[in-house]
Amino acid sequence: KQEVTQIPAALSVPEGENLVLNCSFTDSAIYNLQWFRQDPGKGLTSLLLIQSSQREQTSGRLNASLDKSSGRSTLYIAASQPGDSATYLCAVRPPPGGADGLTFGKGTHLIIQP
Amino acid sequence: GAGVSQSPRYKVAKRGQDVALRCDPISGHVSLFWYQQALGQGPEFLTYFQNEAQLDKSGLPSDRFFAERPEGSVSTLKIQRTQQEDSAVYLCASSLDLTSGYNEQFFGPGTRLTVL
Repeated sequence: KQEVTQIPAALSVPEGENLVLNCSFTDSAIYNLQWFRQDPGKGLTSLLLIQSSQREQTSGRLNASLDKSSGRSTLYIAASQPGDSATYLCAVRPPPGGADGLTFGKGTHLIIQP
Repeated sequence: GAGVSQSPRYKVAKRGQDVALRCDPISGHVSLFWYQQALGQGPEFLTYFQNEAQLDKSGLPSDRFFAERPEGSVSTLKIQRTQQEDSAVYLCASSLDLTSGYNEQFFGPGTRLTVL
């Protein structure tokens, strides 16, 4: 059974710092990996999706990398801002033909101090 | 519509009551998913539809949980005889198509269910 682990569970840094969030998964047979942001009391906002054949994706100050063979992904946030404060979740999708839903980690709760 | 919508946003039920949670996916999205998110945890997969066909219900925790999508658009998640352990946020997501290269899942705001 696929398991997804996110480290650290919580992180608090001053505004302006660059930071890295880590995600690992036990089964490398994935279709894609998706990073989400969740604000308190809200649903999930998709940040980046990396297909299994890709190594990284970038959107603005966000960069996500994927090393499928080692079961790891990182989300890099450059020049952090207080508005980046949220819980960040990574999730993996199995290949078609197997189970269909995403498997999520428990998330990293990020606080950016003004 | 602009995104996935869910109703109600909040639901309080007495133990033993039945509840129905609604999801309106993004127009034209073929795939629809339901997830359950307990406090402090990541979402957990419940069930998946492709159009009106329920292709995977392996995540439904018990036979008290039932989902349907009769016309391949709106979906309803029903929980019968609610228990306190059913208290969670129920999230709905839709995606354009499972087998296409572009299958990003878009999530609704969720329904927070509290069972007293």
